[in-house]
Amino acid sequence: QSVLTQPPSLSGAPGQRVTLSCSGSRTNIGAGFDVHWYQQIPGTTPKLLIYGNYNRPSGVPDRFSGFKSGMSASLVITGLQAEDEADYFCQSYDNSLSGGVFGGGTKLTVL
Amino acid sequence: DEELVESGGGSVQPGGSLKLSCEAAGFSLMNYWMTWVRQAPGKGLEWVASIDDDAIEKYYADSVRGRFTVSKDNHKKSVSLHINNLRVDDTAVYYCVRPLHYYGTGSFYTDYYDLWGQGIQVRVSS
Repeated sequence: QSVLTQPPSLSGAPGQRVTLSCSGSRTNIGAGFDVHWYQQIPGTTPKLLIYGNYNRPSGVPDRFSGFKSGMSASLVITGLQAEDEADYFCQSYDNSLSGGVFGGGTKLTVL
Repeated sequence: DEELVESGGGSVQPGGSLKLSCEAAGFSLMNYWMTWVRQAPGKGLEWVASIDDDAIEKYYADSVRGRFTVSKDNHKKSVSLHINNLRVDDTAVYYCVRPLHYYGTGSFYTDYYDLWGQGIQVRVSS
């Protein structure tokens, strides 16, 4: 059972906007720790998508946006494309566990 | 180019031991913390252990503390994870990753992982 909670699956049609949620608690996101997001296309290594809640590494399209508020964070994908079909993981730090924590991941299906 | 390459995985029986290695290319380990993250079959990601740039401070997840030991040889450009008393639930792909510290608006930082190895399979079964 993951410390951060993500819905296991989500789907959207090409061109749509989808929002992936990541819920934490007072010992991680709610304590002020920042949230990072990774994309994992099946059979490949996870790739950094968003760091520090909303920052995009070089090469990540601006269709991907991150937000954080209170004890939760979200990843918004606009103009959904077939190549966005992947698993998405949020990650932060938990001060009661003294270590990094991940969400269980959301499997995004592009219809 | 910066790269991490893991080696040393395999299949072992419960109670056995393994050593995972990670070779770093294109950057100096002296300047970076390093971390191991694992992913059980069909499951999410789990932070396992981290070691600081000087290879002095080490941190472990509760699930592995006392059984796993992380080490780093900055001159040999390698990071290792010694795994003892393996359990079936240690079965996973283990990733060597490079964490970067992100300082947000607070006085503390969180790590994010900007460079990942290709992953190495560890399978524990009788």
